[in-house]
Amino acid sequence: AQSVTQLGSHVSVSEGALVLLRCNYSSSVPPYLFWYVQYPNQGLQLLLKYTTGATLVKGINGFEAEFKKSETSFHLTKPSAHMSDAAEYFCAVPGMNTGFQKLVFGTGTRLLVSP
Amino acid sequence: NAGVTQTPKFQVLKTGQSMTLQCAQDMNHNSMYWYRQDPGMGLRLIYYSASEGTTDKGEVPNGYNVSRLNKREFSLRLESAAPSQTSVYFCASSEGAGVNSPLHFGNGTRLTVT
Repeated sequence: AQSVTQLGSHVSVSEGALVLLRCNYSSSVPPYLFWYVQYPNQGLQLLLKYTTGATLVKGINGFEAEFKKSETSFHLTKPSAHMSDAAEYFCAVPGMNTGFQKLVFGTGTRLLVSP
Repeated sequence: NAGVTQTPKFQVLKTGQSMTLQCAQDMNHNSMYWYRQDPGMGLRLIYYSASEGTTDKGEVPNGYNVSRLNKREFSLRLESAAPSQTSVYFCASSEGAGVNSPLHFGNGTRLTVT
């Protein structure tokens, strides 16, 4: 079983529209959950993380994600997309194949924003 | 503040050639990592070094070797490059070795093996 699954390799939205990028994780994964963003020709940057505490986590650039244990989900949202949000987004969790000692990354979702 | 610096940015090799990818961080982080990124597969961990003087295999170590030269530097070596190693390689570092310690990435090395 996969530790983390991102549904949709591409998501297209119009500028100003709601952004929803989906991430589901295996129920056996410890609750350390991350979203990273990759802009063209750059490395990944941390967008936000959940480790403990409040289940709604706010990140940079207006993004947020909610840890929902009952749904094993950690979806990323932003109320209003901006052209500069166009990038690839990766969800990451402790990997079962690493004994939960190292992060594994989802396959990524490319966000396309049209004017 | 440079963060994580990788060299070179681009490289083309012929099958069977060898090369070393260099990585250095200036954040005094204890742990360093090498990932490869392939379309549709996300990032996969090749090797990591939890602390200076230690290295361990990740998910896809075959065909690679690493050296943690000192606390700042972590190199990745391809002894005999194969076309399957065509990829974008990312070095990362983190303050701690635990999964709750965020990763800081370099800008990548794009390697093509012909």
